[in-house]
Amino acid sequence: GDSVTQMEGPVTLSEEAFLTINCTYTATGYPSLFWYVQYPGEGLQLLLKATKADDKGSNKGFEATYRKETTSFHLEKGSVQVSDSAVYFCALSDQGTYKYIFGTGTRLKVLA
Amino acid sequence: DAGVIQSPRHEVTEMGQEVTLRCKPISGHNSLFWYRQTMMRGLELLIYFNNNVPIDDSGMPEDRFSAKMPNASFSTLKIQPSEPRDSAVYFCASSPQGGGTNTEAFFGQGTRLTVV
Repeated sequence: GDSVTQMEGPVTLSEEAFLTINCTYTATGYPSLFWYVQYPGEGLQLLLKATKADDKGSNKGFEATYRKETTSFHLEKGSVQVSDSAVYFCALSDQGTYKYIFGTGTRLKVLA
Repeated sequence: DAGVIQSPRHEVTEMGQEVTLRCKPISGHNSLFWYRQTMMRGLELLIYFNNNVPIDDSGMPEDRFSAKMPNASFSTLKIQPSEPRDSAVYFCASSPQGGGTNTEAFFGQGTRLTVV
């Protein structure tokens, strides 16, 4: 079945460091891919999405490119801020299914 | 739009009591999901409704859990009787068309349930 695998956390970075959070997926069809962010005490918020191969989703300095050949959707940011400290979830939604499949989440902590 | 609205935000109850969690989806969305989030198991899908009809409840852990969606603007998740292992954050999410499309799911702020 469909699945999403994320790198284990927590990830601890200094402010202005470069961020990469790896995400790979398994899907039978042509899924849409999402990154969600969860701040402490809050629900999940959509950060960015990509709906077809080679699409790049971007928002608030974060980017992720839909790579069909490597079945990956890695999240990147060139310079993180303390306010980016949160849990990040990779997710997919596959054709022919109603479900959104989530990874286990990666906790990011950014130190001043 | 106010987004997905859940109530209460926090609930503390004693073991054996009935608990009801409430959700108001975004107007116009025809898909509604209930998720449970714990440290051990992450984000688990409990049940999915489409046009107010339960489509898949295979994620509901046991008969103590039930969910209803009497109309397009309201859903409930009930636990009776509650047990300490039910302690978790419960999220409701809605989507314009559900998964399998290019649309995303919109989440509420969650209900943190503690059963003592």
